[in-house]
Amino acid sequence: EAGVTQSPTHLIKTRGQQATLRCSPISGHTSVYWYQQALGLGLQFLLWYDEGEERNRGNFPPRFSGRQFPNYSSELNVNALELEDSALYLCATGVREGGNEKLFFGSGTQLSVL
Amino acid sequence: QKEVEQDPGPLSVPEGAIVSLNCTYSNSAFQYFMWYRQYSRKGPELLMYTYSSGNKEDGRFTAQVDKSSKYISLFIRDSQPSDSATYLCAMMRGTSYGKLTFGQGTILTVHP
Repeated sequence: EAGVTQSPTHLIKTRGQQATLRCSPISGHTSVYWYQQALGLGLQFLLWYDEGEERNRGNFPPRFSGRQFPNYSSELNVNALELEDSALYLCATGVREGGNEKLFFGSGTQLSVL
Repeated sequence: QKEVEQDPGPLSVPEGAIVSLNCTYSNSAFQYFMWYRQYSRKGPELLMYTYSSGNKEDGRFTAQVDKSSKYISLFIRDSQPSDSATYLCAMMRGTSYGKLTFGQGTILTVHP
């Protein structure tokens, strides 16, 4: 069974540009979560999509947005890139267990903003 | 104060040693506790998932949760060089679904 797949692996942009990151969930998983892993800040929750709807977002500005498609894949868009957006962006999909979700992560997209 | 505190290490041990990794937390609403392992340039890999106080064992790994002390641990027995990675504790509230709060991660090196 294929795991969570993310593309591209690496992305280099300049300040002010837009970045689009993609995620395909594990087959059968309908929820997609996006996390940012920046140096010195650790892993931080960004966005949660389920059944095509945004369900929750973390403490990030509106220029971080995304969507989920009918096949449950997802895109994360970052507009007006800033230097501090440089980070590893991780996508995770979940399976319900014990009343909550167990998350499985992809390998991430390393975004570098120059 | 961070909601989840984890000693970043680094921690270096000889092969075969017992490794103890720990996290403390301040929010009593956390009910689900996880340990992830992350190799360099890879995503976190789920190792252990628990939602009650006590111990849970899986092979060489034992997760321990003490909700009264707000303290969780991961023990690795007979550590191997392949265990060298960053270990992240993570927690979530009862109704948070996949919104995890992570510790900073502990860098572990197991040398032959």
